[in-house]
Amino acid sequence: DAGVIQSPRHEVTEMGQEVTLRCKPISGHNSLFWYRQTMMRGLELLIYFNNNVPIDDSGMPEDRFSAKMPNASFSTLKIQPSEPRDSAVYFCASSNSGANVLTFGAGSRLTVL
Amino acid sequence: DQQVKQNSPSLSVQEGRISILNCDYTNSMFDYFLWYKKYPAEGPTFLISISSIKDKNEDGRFTVFLNKSAKHLSLHIVPSQPGDSAVYFCAATAASSGNTPLVFGKGTRLSVIA
Repeated sequence: DAGVIQSPRHEVTEMGQEVTLRCKPISGHNSLFWYRQTMMRGLELLIYFNNNVPIDDSGMPEDRFSAKMPNASFSTLKIQPSEPRDSAVYFCASSNSGANVLTFGAGSRLTVL
Repeated sequence: DQQVKQNSPSLSVQEGRISILNCDYTNSMFDYFLWYKKYPAEGPTFLISISSIKDKNEDGRFTVFLNKSAKHLSLHIVPSQPGDSAVYFCAATAASSGNTPLVFGKGTRLSVIA
């Protein structure tokens, strides 16, 4: 298995632009998580899905952030419009429902100028 | 409000010596704890875990200790090796409450000096 696949690995954009981050979870995993890593806050949970259904999005910082999971093998995290304070590394992780161990992707490093 | 706290942002240890990384938590519902290791430009990878029914779990050079009354856990690495240099994240979940996501600390950067 190729693991959790994230794209792009790096994104540099200007303030106000739309950013879309993509994630392919491990085949057979039915829980998917989006985390954000910053120096100030460490690894914080943004949103998670079970069986493609959003369960808890209370970590999404603002309405500018949205996430979708149209099928079991694909999820997106969208920021529109982006701001400099959104600069961070965004991680996607997946697991089997009920399992405590998450498998993380390599992350997408976002820089908003 | 940080429910999982790693109060030491960094730690330097000489090769061959013991590394001790600490973690405190505030939520009494947490009953399963994990350590993840992260190298630069990679995602965190699972290292070791412990359930609240135990106070120690060992896997090779890595041992995790849990003190429930103090709401404290620690990761011991012995002997430390240069390849152990990474950021270590402590994580916790209320596993018996259902499928609750992991809550992470801010991480501790370990540097093992040859």
